[in-house]
Amino acid sequence: AQKITQTQPGMFVQEKEAVTLDCTYDTSDPSYGLFWYKQPSSGEMIFLIYQGSYDQQNATEGRYSLNFQKARKSANLVISASQLGDSAMYFCAMRGLNQAGTALIFGKGTTLSVSS
Amino acid sequence: DSGVTQTPKHLITATGQRVTLRCSPRSGDLSVYWYQQSLDQGLQFLIQYYNGEERAKGNILERFSAQQFPDLHSELNLSSLELGDSALYFCASSVMNRAGGEKLFFGSGTQLSVL
Repeated sequence: AQKITQTQPGMFVQEKEAVTLDCTYDTSDPSYGLFWYKQPSSGEMIFLIYQGSYDQQNATEGRYSLNFQKARKSANLVISASQLGDSAMYFCAMRGLNQAGTALIFGKGTTLSVSS
Repeated sequence: DSGVTQTPKHLITATGQRVTLRCSPRSGDLSVYWYQQSLDQGLQFLIQYYNGEERAKGNILERFSAQQFPDLHSELNLSSLELGDSALYFCASSVMNRAGGEKLFFGSGTQLSVL
């Protein structure tokens, strides 16, 4: 069975600071993908970043980077230079890659609040 | 804009009724996923279709059903509605990423309120 755990219900940060959102996972699939999505108050789900389990380097997308530690089964999202518009709910998600028909499963999410 | 279109954006109905939620995937995407988001359960996977065929099933109730049509749009049918079915229902379509990863693009959701 697959499981995603996000232990931080809420995080508070000031503008221009960096913030790390935690995510740990559990899976028996040898090959899997890890994702982060952002959900602002408007409700839409916005894809941020993807990390494959066999990728040698940590993924980066602009101000977002994924701190992937395979042995610890963690996939933390790092947002550098926070902006007010980063205030949103953030979801970590995972999908096994070896089986057809496995869906993306999500953690419970972390609410990030960025203040000026 | 993700390119995934969901209608309607809001739906208010009564218990016992039946509703249909519609989703048009991004052009070229063959997979459609349905998710339910509620405060207590979080984001729950309901069902996936790939090119018209059911591919995977999650926590979908028997009162719910879905289908994907030849033009690849999908509909989620919810019947005998209960108060607890009130939630945000997302549709997502997918494209294969590098190394076999699959990036899901989500629609803006349909907010269902059952009164």
